[in-house]
Amino acid sequence: GENVEQHPSTLSVQEGDSAVIKCTYSDSASNYFPWYKQELGKRPQLIIDIRSNVGEKKDQRIAVTLNKTAKHFSLHITETQPEDSAVYFCAAGTRQLTFGSGTQLTVLP
Amino acid sequence: NAGVTQTPKFRILKIGQSMTLQCAQDMNHNYMYWYRQDPGMGLKLIYYSVGAGITDKGEVPNGYNVSRSTTEDFPLRLELAAPSQTSVYFCASSYTGDRGEQYFGPGTRLTVT
Repeated sequence: GENVEQHPSTLSVQEGDSAVIKCTYSDSASNYFPWYKQELGKRPQLIIDIRSNVGEKKDQRIAVTLNKTAKHFSLHITETQPEDSAVYFCAAGTRQLTFGSGTQLTVLP
Repeated sequence: NAGVTQTPKFRILKIGQSMTLQCAQDMNHNYMYWYRQDPGMGLKLIYYSVGAGITDKGEVPNGYNVSRSTTEDFPLRLELAAPSQTSVYFCASSYTGDRGEQYFGPGTRLTVT
């Protein structure tokens, strides 16, 4: 089955700086790569996703890159704000998703 | 649209008891999923369904059962609850499973003591 590894497990940045979270996956059949944000006690919410036929996607301050050859994808958040503080999960798969173990992002004011 | 709803929000079970976690969606989604999230961890897939009458095991199905008699509902049954089943359970749905966004319910926090 699919195996997704996510790094780092915790990340602290100053407000206004950029944050990068990286994930690797094992199954070359995976073709869908979403990123979810989860605030404490809340449900995961999709923030951005990318399909396997695309190398990069951007939505305002958030971008995701995908390297299918190397089997890794990354989340980039620019101009971080305190409200970006949360746990971020990557996932990979097709019909089923396998999730990474999460990154606790803290944006320091 | 209410989206994905789950009941109950919280539940405490004694070891060996059984219960059913309810999940419903009103988006006419074909695919539905059950995940568990242990403290400080990611989500692990328990079971999923691609349509009424069709279910399949995920990564951690032991100790659970599901059924899908309608498009809207996807209940998760715990038989003989064990402390290892203490977790937060999330139900999700998507229009298509293949590269389709999954919408999550608010979760059920279950404690087995």
